[in-house]
Amino acid sequence: SQTIHQWPATLVQPVGSPLSLECTVEGTSNPNLYWYRQAAGRGLQLLFYSVGIGQISSEVPQNLSASRPQDRQFILSSKKLLLSDSGFYLCAWSGGGGIGNQPQHFGDGTRLSIL
Amino acid sequence: TQLLEQSPQFLSIQEGENLTVYCNSSSVFSSLQWYRQEPGEGPVLLVTVVTGGEVKKLKRLTFQFGDARKDSSLHITAAQPGDTGLYLCAGAHGSQGNLIFGKGTKLSVKP
Repeated sequence: SQTIHQWPATLVQPVGSPLSLECTVEGTSNPNLYWYRQAAGRGLQLLFYSVGIGQISSEVPQNLSASRPQDRQFILSSKKLLLSDSGFYLCAWSGGGGIGNQPQHFGDGTRLSIL
Repeated sequence: TQLLEQSPQFLSIQEGENLTVYCNSSSVFSSLQWYRQEPGEGPVLLVTVVTGGEVKKLKRLTFQFGDARKDSSLHITAAQPGDTGLYLCAGAHGSQGNLIFGKGTKLSVKP
């Protein structure tokens, strides 16, 4: 069966520090991968998605970047965190092929607090 | 920007009551998904509806997709405390579009 792992579960970082959140998927190949941010009362905001190794699409201009160095690995990074980067970050995967209409399977999220 | 409006934003009911939450848009979606999210966890898919007028049942949960594929509802019969959580709807525009999520309905079922 397919599983998705996301870590760390919680993270407290000072303003201006770098960030690296990692997400890996097991039990499937060539998945579509996603990074979302969920702020209180604002639903899920899609940050990045990837349909293959090295292929990254950005949905919102921001202080963050994403990379997909391996088929089932998706990394969210920042060189210098801002206070506004605080939030709940979720990684998700869906079956390969078209993005729409595919159910998405989420990790348990990372709660990021910037001080 | 296509928006999915969910209502109510918050709902607090007693165990055993029935409830309906709504997901509305001015856009037509090729499919619509419902998720439930518990605190500190990621959303979990409940159902996908793809045909206008479609009704799907999942135990005490009934999902309906509007005839025009612009709206959807989730009805829960005899709610239980285990139904507590954030209910999110998400719409897709064909195979190439990303999912668009609503802000969710936060349901609390008190014993």
